[in-house]
Amino acid sequence: AQSVTQLGSHVSVSEGALVLLRCNYSSSVPPYLFWYVQYPNQGLQLLLKYTTGATLVKGINGFEAEFKKSETSFHLTKPSAHMSDAAEYFCAVSEDTGFQKLVFGTGTRLLVSP
Amino acid sequence: DTAVSQTPKYLVTQMGNDKSIKCEQNLGHDTMYWYKQDSKKFLKIMFSYNNKELIINETVPNRFSPKSPDKAHLNLHINSLELGDSAVYFCASSKTGSNEKLFFGSGTQLSVL
Repeated sequence: AQSVTQLGSHVSVSEGALVLLRCNYSSSVPPYLFWYVQYPNQGLQLLLKYTTGATLVKGINGFEAEFKKSETSFHLTKPSAHMSDAAEYFCAVSEDTGFQKLVFGTGTRLLVSP
Repeated sequence: DTAVSQTPKYLVTQMGNDKSIKCEQNLGHDTMYWYKQDSKKFLKIMFSYNNKELIINETVPNRFSPKSPDKAHLNLHINSLELGDSAVYFCASSKTGSNEKLFFGSGTQLSVL
C-alpha cells in the first residue's frame, strides 16, 4: 500500500528565506508524486507533479521539487518565501492504475513572518 | 466561471438526518471524486466516478451514496448522519489518467450536532 509522510506539521520561515517542506513516500511501484497547496477556505490547487523523466520538477509560484528514488523523497523548495506563500501544503502519491487515486500526507502548514 | 462548484458551502444538521451535497464541473472532465478532510486536515478519497460509473469506492459506510446523473455532476447523499461525519467534503474532477491534475471545489463544511 502506498503512503506519504510529511515531516513537520508546521514550518515557520521569514519572508525572503528558503522554504523546505519534506515529503517521503512509500510505493511498491514507480510512483506519481504531487504537491498541492490549500489556502484558507479553499480547495486544493496543484503546485507541481512528477510522473516520469526529469527528476527536478518546477511548478507554479517559484516552487520546485526533486524526486530522489534512493531516498524515497520528494521535498518541496522555494528559494525565497513570500507572505502569500502562507498556506497548507500537501504531498500526495498515486500509482499508474489509469485513474487518479491520490494518497495524501497529513499536510504541512507554512507560516511566513515579515 | 467556477470550474468545480459544490453546494452548500456550509451545512449544519442534527444527528440522524439525511443530507445531500451537490457538485458540478464545467471543465469537460470525465472523472469526478469525493474527498473527505477531517479536523486534522487529513484528506482521504471516498469515491470516484468515470463517465457516470463508479471506479473507486474506499471503505466508506454505506450511509454514503454517491450519484452521478451525468459526467458533469457527482452528488453525495448521506443518510443517518453521525457526529463522526463532521468534516470538510471536497469534490474534484480530472481527465482520465493517473497523472492528471485534480481540480478541487472549495469544499462543504459539514457539522453534525
